[in-house]
Amino acid sequence: GAGVSQSPSNKVTEKGKDVELRCDPISGHTALYWYRQSLGQGLEFLIYFQGNSAPDKSGLPSDRFSAERTGGSVSTLTIQRTQQEDSAVYLCASSDRDREGYEQYFGPGTRLTVT
Amino acid sequence: SQKIEQNSEALNIQEGKTATLTCNYTNYSPAYLQWYRQDPGRGPVFLLLIRENEKEKRKERLKVTFDTTLKQSLFHITASQPADSATYLCALGGKLSFGAGTTVTVRA
Repeated sequence: GAGVSQSPSNKVTEKGKDVELRCDPISGHTALYWYRQSLGQGLEFLIYFQGNSAPDKSGLPSDRFSAERTGGSVSTLTIQRTQQEDSAVYLCASSDRDREGYEQYFGPGTRLTVT
Repeated sequence: SQKIEQNSEALNIQEGKTATLTCNYTNYSPAYLQWYRQDPGRGPVFLLLIRENEKEKRKERLKVTFDTTLKQSLFHITASQPADSATYLCALGGKLSFGAGTTVTVRA
């Protein structure tokens, strides 16, 4: 079946602009995660959605970052007033929390470059 | 603070040999631990999950051990092949916390 998809695959933006990154999780997966992978920093958790519960935003680095998940499916990560330190690969993952195991299925990522 | 350490950044081995990767963690009490593979330009791919009550788990040529007393997991790739060359990541928790990864290169 279809895996997790993300768009765009690459995004170049000027400092100070807003960007929106999209994630389409695997159909039926109730949990959705956003991570950031920076050069030399490893993978860093940003935000987690589970069903209709309030999202866990504990990993968001600043209030310039926000995310929403509409209809329990597609999610959008928004970065306002982008800074050069926001340059990274943004990865989305989904999992079926109802199944034992909780392995996560990752999308290919969006590479964000802030100039 | 919580920390996950993987033994080395890079591991170079000859084809056919066993690669052994180490993941050590502090200030966690995980119910399970996961291993992922990441190829350049791609997202991580789930390989294995091992629970705290399991000592060992196998999947084809992969073997994972989990010692909650030592707070350590070992990941073995037996009969390694050049196609096994990738970065391997150890992860803990539901909101995954990842180690920095170990890049394995298998020489033909």
